Amino acid sequence: AQKVTQAQTEISVVEKEDVTLDCVYETRDTTYYLFWYKQPPSGELVFLIRRNSFDEQNEISGRYSWNFQKSTSSFNFTITASQVVDSAVYFCALTQLSGGYNKLIFGAGTRLAVHP
Amino acid sequence: DTEVTQTPKHLVMGMTNKKSLKCEQHMGHRAMYWYKQKAKKPPELMFVYSYEKLSINESVPSRFSPECPNSSLLNLHLHALQPEDSALYLCASSQADSGGRGYTFGSGTRLTVV
Repeated sequence: AQKVTQAQTEISVVEKEDVTLDCVYETRDTTYYLFWYKQPPSGELVFLIRRNSFDEQNEISGRYSWNFQKSTSSFNFTITASQVVDSAVYFCALTQLSGGYNKLIFGAGTRLAVHP
Repeated sequence: DTEVTQTPKHLVMGMTNKKSLKCEQHMGHRAMYWYKQKAKKPPELMFVYSYEKLSINESVPSRFSPECPNSSLLNLHLHALQPEDSALYLCASSQADSGGRGYTFGSGTRLTVV
């Protein structure tokens, strides 16, 4: 069975603090893809990153960085120097590979509140 | 065009009404999805269309009826809904290869059933 666990339900930080959102996944597939999405209060799911299981390189995009470790089945997300605009719910997701489509399996989400 | 457009953004309907949600994308994606999201919960898959054919129905009640008229459009027809069906309905599309390349969500329709 495939599963994504985001153990942190809510995180509250003050602006300019660094914050790490944890994601642990379970899968028996050797090939899989992991995603992070941001959901601001307006509701849309904003794509942040997609990573395949064969690429364990960490990635940095501006203030965002991701640490993928297959050995611990984790795909953690760090925001450096957080800003109020980072306040949102963040979802980690895993694909279940099938021919012609991809079912996303989401974690429960982590609500991040960044205070001025 | 890298967007998935959903209409309407908000919908209030009575339990005896019939309404439809619409989703459109022009990215050439051949996989399209309907997800349902209740408050403070993650999205849950309802239906998947691949190459305009229904590939997954996650045991969704028949009062929800999906339709994929062409490769760019996805509809969700609603009839005789219950108040517990009130939720955010999200449409998504992706390339139809392994890996969910380009997996993009629309901004959703907030549905309230009264």
